Amino acid sequence: EVQLVESGGGSVQPGGSLRLSCAASGFTFSRYAMSWVRQAPGKGLEWVSSISSSGDSTYSADSVKGRFTISRDESKNTLHLQMNSLRAEDTAVYFCAKWSPSTMHGDTYYYMDVWGIGTTVTVSS
Amino acid sequence: DIQMTQSPSSLSASVGDRVTITCRASQGISNYLAWYQQKPGKVPKLLIYAASTLQSGVPSRFTGSGSGTDFTLTINSLQLEDVATYYCQKCNSAPFTFGPGTKVVIK
Repeated sequence: EVQLVESGGGSVQPGGSLRLSCAASGFTFSRYAMSWVRQAPGKGLEWVSSISSSGDSTYSADSVKGRFTISRDESKNTLHLQMNSLRAEDTAVYFCAKWSPSTMHGDTYYYMDVWGIGTTVTVSS
Repeated sequence: DIQMTQSPSSLSASVGDRVTITCRASQGISNYLAWYQQKPGKVPKLLIYAASTLQSGVPSRFTGSGSGTDFTLTINSLQLEDVATYYCQKCNSAPFTFGPGTKVVIK
């Protein structure tokens, strides 16, 4: 069974740091790009960061650029999100998601087809 | 950056109704668009990718269409279990922005 399990969430003061992890199983982790998506309480989905299958390319939303770093550990089939200089507005449930490709008519389309259950981050003094 | 909007922000419809949700990109994204369903308290679920391709296991009453800047998600014959918030997402290049969501409730 394809599964993603996040961990590492918790409560932290503004300016603090947290490292989220996402353990992947049931698929060949090294073949897929991965992403983090967050959802603040009562709000919509916000894309946070993505990393290519090789780890060579990373992308981040402007709201977290320079503060959050996405990485992957192929030896442990694990995705990470290092979050520094946390702010109250970073309070959210953080989901990891598998980016899957589908090639049709010569074009490759990506989509998030597997999601973890999320881990909660609360930033408050 | 390309902005994604959705309309309406919420809607109320009866079981059996046909429901249409619109997603608009501020610039053309070809058909690099996905739709997700998030039921209350649950994890988002992929419904449609490449604007119109139904994900495996998703009921055929869900259909997607559009290209360029304007997209629609249609639920043909709304069911009780379709109560959820629906999000579109641009998938052509970063930032992979989501729309603000459309909440669907039963009348």
